[in-house]
Amino acid sequence: ETGVTQTPRHLVMGMTNKKSLKCEQHLGHNAMYWYKQSAKKPLELMFVYSLEERVENNSVPSRFSPECPNSSHLFLHLHTLQPEDSALYLCASSQEIWSGETQYFGPGTRLLVL
Amino acid sequence: AQSVTQLDSQVPVFEEAPVELRCNYSSSVSVYLFWYVQYPNQGLQLLLKYLSGSTLVESINGFEAEFNKSQTSFHLRKPSVHISDTAEYFCAVSDQGSSNTGKLIFGQGTTLQVKP
Repeated sequence: ETGVTQTPRHLVMGMTNKKSLKCEQHLGHNAMYWYKQSAKKPLELMFVYSLEERVENNSVPSRFSPECPNSSHLFLHLHTLQPEDSALYLCASSQEIWSGETQYFGPGTRLLVL
Repeated sequence: AQSVTQLDSQVPVFEEAPVELRCNYSSSVSVYLFWYVQYPNQGLQLLLKYLSGSTLVESINGFEAEFNKSQTSFHLRKPSVHISDTAEYFCAVSDQGSSNTGKLIFGQGTTLQVKP
């Protein structure tokens, strides 16, 4: 595997389910990000991790819970979601936390909440 | 706070024609500027970025963008497009300040549709 991988690629869940999204980067980067991409809205940054420490939580509801066990893996735990949470969830990584760094994106997980 | 406006949601163009995708931003501080491209069923990938120096930046596949500070713009251009350029294009900015956490502010995206 190369670059940034995400699993699953598609997920359908009910509002009472609990599920997790997984992201893995094979680039040796120190920073990882979760973004939400909704239809007709700009990409929204959700969380930023640097060396496994959360450095940004962009006012995300508590039903989204991130976890970064090491610098290569990032999870997004989901519980009691709402239909409006249906979106494409993108993971990204960068070498360092720096505003000029290039971010490398995974293909995303397409989430549908029923 | 920063914001990014991409003035066109869709741009249809014929193959081999020139194209310009417009991007304007608003910020009270100095920013870095980016263009990312998203092909169908893929994540975003960097097309080009402006950090400092020459205001004209180029990508390896023929795109270029010019940073215009007075007009707060970073328009993307290509003199001759190919079918394979069909994708969604995102303009983004980030704060140059030391407190920045790598946060990118994105525009809403422009769908470039190249027709044969």
